Amino acid sequence: ETGVTQTPRHLVMGMTNKKSLKCEQHLGHNAMYWYKQSAKKPLELMFVYSLEERVENNSVPSRFSPECPNSSHLFLHLHTLQPEDSALYLCASSQEAAGRGEKLFFGSGTQLSVL
Amino acid sequence: GQSLEQPSEVTAVEGAIVQINCTYQTSGFYGLSWYQQHDGGAPTFLSYNGLDGLEETGRFSSFLSRSDSYGYLLLQELQMKDSASYFCAVRDHRTNAGKSTFGDGTTLTVKP
Repeated sequence: ETGVTQTPRHLVMGMTNKKSLKCEQHLGHNAMYWYKQSAKKPLELMFVYSLEERVENNSVPSRFSPECPNSSHLFLHLHTLQPEDSALYLCASSQEAAGRGEKLFFGSGTQLSVL
Repeated sequence: GQSLEQPSEVTAVEGAIVQINCTYQTSGFYGLSWYQQHDGGAPTFLSYNGLDGLEETGRFSSFLSRSDSYGYLLLQELQMKDSASYFCAVRDHRTNAGKSTFGDGTTLTVKP
C-alpha cells in the first residue's frame, strides 16, 4: 500500500458509543494531522502531531481524543459524540523540514454519522 | 485571524480555460497552496506558491501576488474529470504544512 489510508470509510454511531478512527501513512512522513470537513464549511484543523508529539489542539472538545503511537499511525478516539459532530474526518501527513513541506497528503476520510 | 475568499461555484465547458481566484487576510504568510477534491475523495495537492509569480504544472498553473494578498489557479484545456472542488490554503508558519488555513472551496462544473 502507498499513501495515507483511513479506516473505516463509513461509521454510524449512537451518542453513547465509543469508537476509534484509524489512519496509517506509508510515506515516511514526520507529521500527521486530523481535520474535520463539514458540508458547506472549510476544512478545520483539529490536531497536529509532529515527531509523535501533539503540538496543536485547536480547541477541540474532549469527546475527541487523539493518539499517535508512532510516526506512521494516528488514531482519533470518539466517545459521547453529538449529532453536530457528523462530518468527514480526514487524516493527513507531511514531511516537515526547514523551508520545505508545503504538501499535505490526505487520506480518503471517514464519513461519520452520529445518531 | 485568518480568512480566505474564493468563489463558491464556477461553470465552464470542455476545452475552455477557467481561473479560480483566492484572496486572503492572514496574520502571517508563508505560502499559498491549491488542492483538488472530487466528490467522496481525498483532497490532493495541486500547486504551491511561496514567492510571487506563476508556477506551471501541466494544464494547471498557479499565481501569487503577495503585495495584493491574492492568488489564482488557472486550469487550461478543461476536461470533464476536472469537475471537483478546489481549495486554496494559506500557510502561516514556517513549519507544518498542515497548519494551513483553508478556504471554503470552489465547486467547478465542467460541461460538455
